[in-house]
Amino acid sequence: DTGVSQNPRHKITKRGQNVTFRCDPISEHNRLYWYRQTLGQGPEFLTYFQNEAQLEKSRLLSDRFSAERPKGSFSTLEIQRTEQGDSAMYLCASSLGRGQEVTDTQYFGPGTRLTVL
Amino acid sequence: DAKTTQPPSMDCAEGRAANLPCNHSTISGNEYVYWYRQIHSQGPQYIIHGLKNNETNEMASLIITEDRKSSTLILPHATLRDTAVYYCIVRDYPYNQGGKLIFGQGTELSVKP
Repeated sequence: DTGVSQNPRHKITKRGQNVTFRCDPISEHNRLYWYRQTLGQGPEFLTYFQNEAQLEKSRLLSDRFSAERPKGSFSTLEIQRTEQGDSAMYLCASSLGRGQEVTDTQYFGPGTRLTVL
Repeated sequence: DAKTTQPPSMDCAEGRAANLPCNHSTISGNEYVYWYRQIHSQGPQYIIHGLKNNETNEMASLIITEDRKSSTLILPHATLRDTAVYYCIVRDYPYNQGGKLIFGQGTELSVKP
């Protein structure tokens, strides 16, 4: 069990640029989540995948944000035309869920810290 | 919005038990209580979860009141490495939507020598 990994760990970009983050979940975990955390706040849910299907998106996920999980394994989160308000820690979590089981545990990666100048 | 209320901060002496309270008065009968912690600049770490009964694992114990409106996370012998923000979370339901975690502000626990 190598844990959830995220790359890059840090990203500094200029306003208006596009950025892409990658998340590699724990092997065989079918559920993958993205959260965003700003300074001093708890993480906020962005979106959720079960296998390759994106099943839920938060209202926080504006049209500048897009997430994919093409083969049901790793996932990418892209932000287009970044704004200073996008500066945050982007966290990925994965879990192994079966049907409507309610007790699968989400394991988090170390996060990608984005700074938009 | 988060369904839980926690004190913003607490102190604990090293070696003593740390008791972190959480109120969740609107919890539904089929919603679980989860606890995570987040050490500075790291991703949240799962600690424990429960529904009705008290639970214990190698990290902590979870005590849930009979009416399920509150719970307490107990770290039996706190160490300096337990200094972190602790989040009490009521798991979003219905679960067929994947059960996203809704974090509140958490409790910042400081373990002091």
